[in-house]
Amino acid sequence: NAGVTQTPKFQVLKTGQSMTLQCAQDMNHNSMYWYRQDPGMGLRLIYYSASEGTTDKGEVPNGYNVSRLNKREFSLRLESAAPSQTSVYFCASSENGFRNQPQHFGDGTRLSIL
Amino acid sequence: SQELEQSPQSLIVQEGKNLTINCTSSKTLYGLYWYKQKYGEGLIFLMMLQKGGEEKSHEKITAKLDEKKQQSSLHITASQPSHAGIYLCGADPGTASKLTFGTGTRLQVTL
Repeated sequence: NAGVTQTPKFQVLKTGQSMTLQCAQDMNHNSMYWYRQDPGMGLRLIYYSASEGTTDKGEVPNGYNVSRLNKREFSLRLESAAPSQTSVYFCASSENGFRNQPQHFGDGTRLSIL
Repeated sequence: SQELEQSPQSLIVQEGKNLTINCTSSKTLYGLYWYKQKYGEGLIFLMMLQKGGEEKSHEKITAKLDEKKQQSSLHITASQPSHAGIYLCGADPGTASKLTFGTGTRLQVTL
């Protein structure tokens, strides 16, 4: 079972470059999420999609855009990368929303902005 | 917003020893999730607790939810090297809002 698959696993960008992080889940989940994880900060929600066709801002959305391409796929785009966006990015999915059900996570994308 | 504090921040135990990790919330806990993370990997879901007083076990890991104390504990019995990693708790806010995660407890198990 693949679960949640993220690509790429590692990436190095220069300041100002753009990039799209890809995420796909095969669990037929309705809700998908993008988090960033920074030392001492825990996981912070960037954007989420409660269901296909909807997206909403999370705690730290500035500098990012998302696309819920279909039920399976949810991508995160950095239009003009900044060093402050150096982080580990995790995609997650859940059956329906935040409550009363666990989120399942991908293995992460380690992104460095020089 | 809800904040979760985990204690201790890091822990080194000898193989075979028991240990407890705590997760304390600044607000009422409507549900609590425990995850484990190994370096270079994603978060693996361990357990979900939804009711005050609820206790769940999986292999040698037991988690409890104390609603009154706004706290959850994760207890590992007879620790093994495979238990090493970072343990994170996540709180259900009780609304349609997002989950909140603690900053994690790093566990090392020595031989």
